[in-house]
Amino acid sequence: GAVVSQHPSWVICKSGTSVKIECRSLDFQATTMFWYRQFPKQSLMLMATSNEGSKATYEQGVEKDKFLINHASLTLSTLTVTSAHPEDSSFYICSAPWGGPGTGELFFGEGSRLTVL
Amino acid sequence: SQKIEQNSEALNIQEGKTATLTCNYTNYSPAYLQWYRQDPGRGPVFLLLIRENEKEKRKERLKVTFDTTLKQSLFHITASQPADSATYLCALDRDNYGQNFVFGPGTRLSVLP
Repeated sequence: GAVVSQHPSWVICKSGTSVKIECRSLDFQATTMFWYRQFPKQSLMLMATSNEGSKATYEQGVEKDKFLINHASLTLSTLTVTSAHPEDSSFYICSAPWGGPGTGELFFGEGSRLTVL
Repeated sequence: SQKIEQNSEALNIQEGKTATLTCNYTNYSPAYLQWYRQDPGRGPVFLLLIRENEKEKRKERLKVTFDTTLKQSLFHITASQPADSATYLCALDRDNYGQNFVFGPGTRLSVLP
């Protein structure tokens, strides 16, 4: 099946620094990718939809200036957490749809665990 | 308001029995519904997709039903095994385009040997 790779798997940073997380579709092209955040024992919360060649679409309540999304190519989307604070510590996961609309599934990356000290 | 509920936060069953997980939704009209498995610290893995015009879908020991009148999906694992222990998430298609899905809170299934 299709593979989505996410990097880094985990990152620890100091408060106030910025962290970049990459999401790559390894064997298929993805014009759309999705970014989620998941707190312990909670479900995935969609943060934004990343669109290749255009601006990302953010969910209500998600600060677009804090969570910068860039979809530079058909296989790469990046999420940058700017000026990170301890409350941004979470598990961030990306996904990409494979196949046409309604024909297949979302392939997920392995997730990136961010800890902000 | 829109809501997705999964029957219980945790479910324990004995090995060999059938596990039944429930997904109920309010104020959605999804054209597609999916079920995913998530292991701790990992990304979700797709299991099954069912369309609004399908009543039932099967894949090996898995079976999914979709009742758009009741606004409910049932997910069954027959002959359950300890390796089936994981969190199971249902996901609804938000825009009827089959790509943008919103997830339920999940049910943590434990299959006891």
